[in-house]
Amino acid sequence: DTGVSQDPRHKITKRGQNVTFRCDPISEHNRLYWYRQTLGQGPEFLTYFQNEAQLEKSRLLSDRFSAERPKGSFSTLEIQRTEQGDSAMYLCASSSDMTEAFFGQGTRLTVV
Amino acid sequence: AQSVAQPEDQVNVAEGNPLTVKCTYSVSGNPYLFWYVQYPNRGLQFLLKYITGDNLVKGSYGFEAEFNKSQTSFHLKKPSALVSDSALYFCAVRPYDMRFGAGTRLTVKP
Repeated sequence: DTGVSQDPRHKITKRGQNVTFRCDPISEHNRLYWYRQTLGQGPEFLTYFQNEAQLEKSRLLSDRFSAERPKGSFSTLEIQRTEQGDSAMYLCASSSDMTEAFFGQGTRLTVV
Repeated sequence: AQSVAQPEDQVNVAEGNPLTVKCTYSVSGNPYLFWYVQYPNRGLQFLLKYITGDNLVKGSYGFEAEFNKSQTSFHLKKPSALVSDSALYFCAVRPYDMRFGAGTRLTVKP
């Protein structure tokens, strides 16, 4: 297994456009997490899946953000009507019940 | 809901001296606790974890942490700091989703 992979690594989009990011977790991991990180800050929790069920979603997250994990495998994070404040690094991580979370390299979003 | 606090934004130590990076947590039930490190323009790297068992856990690069249930703390320690330890350090807590602290910037001066 090559670890957690995220695609794309970089995304530049115009304000108002929709973007979608993909995360492929480590195959045997049942837990999947999405975070947003800005420079020098801690990862801000966005949402969490256990298998295909989305069990928690940050109250800070507006309804422009949605995530899916069909069949409990890969996950997608969509941001609709992007705003400049959405510019950040979007991190995906996966774990099993007893392990630490393994992080992908992230998708850097720039909204212009 | 679970949360972690890292009360120090910045910790400065001299090379060769011991270092401590503080973390306190709040969680319902038994905590799973983690430390991660992030170097500039790099991803988050796992250092160590406490899930159950011995309160003193040892991790990568000579780091260790002590779980203290009565003080709800999980401080990161290293007996002798290296300049190369300079980085951002994050504490995290689970048992359900994983929440991170705001981070502590460690600077080790020669």
